[in-house]
Amino acid sequence: NAGVMQNPRHLVRRRGQEARLRCSPMKGHSHVYWYRQLPEEGLKFMVYLQKENIIDESGMPKERFSAEFPKEGPSILRIQQVVRGDSAAYFCASSREYEQYFGPGTRLTVT
Amino acid sequence: QKEVEQNSGPLSVPEGAIASLNCTYSDRGSQSFFWYRQYSGKSPELIMSIYSNGDKEDGRFTAQLNKASQYVSLLIRDSQPSDSATYLCAVNRGGGATNKLIFGTGTLLAVQP
Repeated sequence: NAGVMQNPRHLVRRRGQEARLRCSPMKGHSHVYWYRQLPEEGLKFMVYLQKENIIDESGMPKERFSAEFPKEGPSILRIQQVVRGDSAAYFCASSREYEQYFGPGTRLTVT
Repeated sequence: QKEVEQNSGPLSVPEGAIASLNCTYSDRGSQSFFWYRQYSGKSPELIMSIYSNGDKEDGRFTAQLNKASQYVSLLIRDSQPSDSATYLCAVNRGGGATNKLIFGTGTLLAVQP
């Protein structure tokens, strides 16, 4: 399967714990994006990365959220000290140029 | 004013009819436009991309772009029940270094058998 891969598909965390979401882009894609979809809301851009660089993090909350795309391995979206409002579907997308292809998403539930 | 606006629907069409989905955007500098389909509980799937004024056809789908009117549309011919989903319009502002997409809230399409 040459598509965008995300894991885990479902993640349950208690308030105050850390959540780590992973994304492997499609083969040949060097651009990675993270989006969040809250229940009954649209997709919202969070961050855009290339290898070892954050290109645009204008959609990232200022606190508790961070992202990286290391030289080796998947991109990681990290949420520290999760709160109930972080419960959402987190989608990763990748592109070669402009057309972005989405992974299956990680459904985060904070209890 | 929202950056990308879509009628939330639901848009109900009979099987075999043409479904017309519309989207307007506010940033005149936008350069790239996309339509995604999202089934309930699933991830968005890219259907069409369009970059210049006019029509672009791919199978049963036609995307139309009018930059002067800041308007993008998607036509689905011979609609099938399997086309029932939420259709998301997305805009890439272009310029600078970012490729981020701004999404509308989507139009729910229901194709009646």
